[in-house]
Amino acid sequence: DAKTTQPPSMDCAEGRAANLPCNHSTISGNEYVYWYRQIHSQGPQYIIHGLKNNETNEMASLIITEDRKSSTLILPHATLRDTAVYYCIVKATDSWGKLQFGAGTQVVVTP
Amino acid sequence: NAGVTQTPKFQVLKTGQSMTLQCAQDMNHNSMYWYRQDPGMGLRLIYYSASEGTTDKGEVPNGYNVSRLNKREFSLRLESAAPSQTSVYFCAINTSGGQGTQYFGPGTRLTVL
Repeated sequence: DAKTTQPPSMDCAEGRAANLPCNHSTISGNEYVYWYRQIHSQGPQYIIHGLKNNETNEMASLIITEDRKSSTLILPHATLRDTAVYYCIVKATDSWGKLQFGAGTQVVVTP
Repeated sequence: NAGVTQTPKFQVLKTGQSMTLQCAQDMNHNSMYWYRQDPGMGLRLIYYSASEGTTDKGEVPNGYNVSRLNKREFSLRLESAAPSQTSVYFCAINTSGGQGTQYFGPGTRLTVL
């Protein structure tokens, strides 16, 4: 059973912020939210993860709602190279790092 | 994808043939994983190895065997390939112990006729 729900696709204009939503209403207290992306034909790339606080790194920001039932990945200034499938994954800390990928969101950044 | 290498990059097999997909890392991490990705779908875990000498089944292990002979290498073997095993195979390492930050290899594209 899928633990996360993401829109199948979304478009974003180059230079604008891309806000990618993810619902994880059944998330448990020991589960983190992870985001990966996969550029066409390449292996997935880790972006960011968080438990309950908002997180930011050089690639993106992660906003997790207070009830932890949903989150948003923000790409602050989308570029054409950000065109990819983005996966939102929830994972417990004691599951030996096993990741369960869903279908993800296909993001297309247009000029 | 420096740090995790996979060989071969492409392979075409006939039904019933066998082959081994190789994965090697130079990042000195304990946990390694094999995933498959069918067209238009997310990745599914086949097998994983938490440390040298140990292996465990993932979500879709049927038709595959694995071997973790040393810390650096984790191989995936198809004993009798079937068309349903046509897929892209990704090897990954876990860079953060029990957490979920994984680093993926470039993949092996396998076609079984």
